[in-house]
Amino acid sequence: KQEVTQIPAALSVPEGENLVLNCSFTDSAIYNLQWFRQDPGKGLTSLLLIQSSQREQTSGRLNASLDKSSGRSTLYIAASQPGDSATYLCAVITQGGSEKLVFGKGTKLTVNP
Amino acid sequence: DAGITQSPRHKVTETGTPVTLRCHQTENHRYMYWYRQDPGHGLRLIHYSYGVKDTDKGEVSDGYSVSRSKTEDFLLTLESATSSQTSVYFCAISSRENYSPLHFGNGTRLTVT
Repeated sequence: KQEVTQIPAALSVPEGENLVLNCSFTDSAIYNLQWFRQDPGKGLTSLLLIQSSQREQTSGRLNASLDKSSGRSTLYIAASQPGDSATYLCAVITQGGSEKLVFGKGTKLTVNP
Repeated sequence: DAGITQSPRHKVTETGTPVTLRCHQTENHRYMYWYRQDPGHGLRLIHYSYGVKDTDKGEVSDGYSVSRSKTEDFLLTLESATSSQTSVYFCAISSRENYSPLHFGNGTRLTVT
């Protein structure tokens, strides 16, 4: 059964800092990996989707990498801003599985002005 | 929010009563999903649909049923609500299974007393 782990569970940084969020998964046979952002009381917003054949995706100040063989992904946020404060979740879809999207429990990020 | 509307946004109900949550999309996407989000468990799939009248169970389907009579609507029914079903319920849609990002609604907060 696919398991997705995100470390750390919470992270607090000063504004302007570059930071990395980590995601690991146990079964490397995935279709894709997605990073989401969730603001309090809101649904999830898709940030980046990396197909299994890709190594990274970029959107603005965000860069997500995927190392499928080691079961790891990182989300790099450059020049963090207070508006980046949210919970970030990663999720994977496993090949041949009926689990559909399996989510990690998220990293709660606080960017302090 | 990618044209997804969940209703109601909040509901309080008593144990043993039936409850129906509605997800409506304007994107004409084929795939629709119901998730629940609970502290300590993250997001877990309840049921999903891959077309009109085509549905399947997810990880935590016991106590829930779904129906999809039109492309745009996906209903989640709790036949007899229990306190363990107190949760935040999210609907999600995607255009192409396994290869497209998921887009989420803003959620329904359900409290069963």
